Amino acid sequence: GIQVEQSPPDLILQEGANSTLRCNFSDSVNNLQWFHQNPWGQLINLFYIPSGTKQNGRLSATTVATERYSLLYISSSQTTDSGVYFCAVDSSSGSARQLTFGSGTQLTVLP
Amino acid sequence: DGGITQSPKYLFRKEGQNVTLSCEQNLNHDAMYWYRQDPGQGLRLIYYSQIVNDFQKGDIAEGYSVSREKKESFPLTVTSAQKNPTAFYLCASSPNLWRDLQSSYNEQFFGPGTRLTVL
Repeated sequence: GIQVEQSPPDLILQEGANSTLRCNFSDSVNNLQWFHQNPWGQLINLFYIPSGTKQNGRLSATTVATERYSLLYISSSQTTDSGVYFCAVDSSSGSARQLTFGSGTQLTVLP
Repeated sequence: DGGITQSPKYLFRKEGQNVTLSCEQNLNHDAMYWYRQDPGQGLRLIYYSQIVNDFQKGDIAEGYSVSREKKESFPLTVTSAQKNPTAFYLCASSPNLWRDLQSSYNEQFFGPGTRLTVL
């Protein structure tokens, strides 16, 4: 099956700093989602981005499908950005959509 | 309020007991999914359902069972055959599978999760 690798596994930032999280995948994908898991475990949808670039406030994401990677940019980080960021891809054929998750990047933003 | 609800939030089970986790959505989504998350890891797919009265095994279905009698509901039963059931369980849904592969109708949305502990 498809492999999804996220880097770095851990990231510690000072409030106000910028960061880039990377997601590499081993095969072509139908779609790609970025999530933020908060300390209570809730998965929050950040981007649905099979290709191209999207922006939402201080966050933006770029997926280069032909080179099999996606990047999540966080600018002017805040303590509330802390948590785990997951990349998940769908490479399934047929009518069923299945997401394969990476292991996540644990982000800690210090005040 | 539209959304996905899961209950209970915390569940404790004795070894050898079956337990059922609830997942309900009022988003009118066709597809529903169950995932398992172990500490420090990503999510893994247990079962999914594309339509009422139909469901398919995911990557780690052994020891689990599901039903889909109503569009809004997709309960998961963790049976005594599941060797290591202590985990965080998340339910998800997506609007419609019967569309273009890259359509945003395939975007999955998640409930708040149930933490299951086997004593």
